[in-house]
Amino acid sequence: DAGVIQSPRHEVTEMGQEVTLRCKPISGHNSLFWYRQTMMRGLELLIYFNNNVPIDDSGMPEDRFSAKMPNASFSTLKIQPSEPRDSAVYFCASSQDNQPQHFGDGTRLSIL
Amino acid sequence: GEDVEQSLFLSVREGDSSVINCTYTDSSSTYLYWYKQEPGAGLQLLTYIFSNMDMKQDQRLTVLLNKKDKHLSLRIADTQTGDSAIYFCAESRGSNDYKLSFGAGTTVTVRA
Repeated sequence: DAGVIQSPRHEVTEMGQEVTLRCKPISGHNSLFWYRQTMMRGLELLIYFNNNVPIDDSGMPEDRFSAKMPNASFSTLKIQPSEPRDSAVYFCASSQDNQPQHFGDGTRLSIL
Repeated sequence: GEDVEQSLFLSVREGDSSVINCTYTDSSSTYLYWYKQEPGAGLQLLTYIFSNMDMKQDQRLTVLLNKKDKHLSLRIADTQTGDSAIYFCAESRGSNDYKLSFGAGTTVTVRA
């Protein structure tokens, strides 16, 4: 079975550029989560959706970050403009209601 | 997150048992999880336990939950080199709150 699919796996870009991270959840899952992982702060929940609706975006760092889920099989996390401190590994996870979350392999983002 | 605490490092000899400990503060935690992260990969769900259970066993893995002390442990029997990874404890309230709070992760190193 296909797991959570994230793209790209790696992204290197210059500060000020727009970055778009993509996620395809597991088919049939109705909850989707975006996390950021850094050495300093560990794993942080940025935002989560249930049935394509954002439920909690309190973890989104600032207005430069935005997330969308236009349909049940696709979500994006956008950073505009990007800054070096946004460098991290970004994970997407999905679940069915309160069942365990399944994670993608992550996008390793480097902002120069 | 500060709601879930784990020791940061554990070194164990191959063939011995590993015990990774975790404490949490939220008494309304409903589900408690253990995830494994290998270098460059996402988080892999290992096992989880519902808060009305005190033990769960799955092959080499044993989870113990002391709800009174809010203490969770993961025991890995016959530890192998492939068990070297970071292990994350996480908790959720379940019900309609699907967010996970993660500990900082315990880096397990298996030595020959």
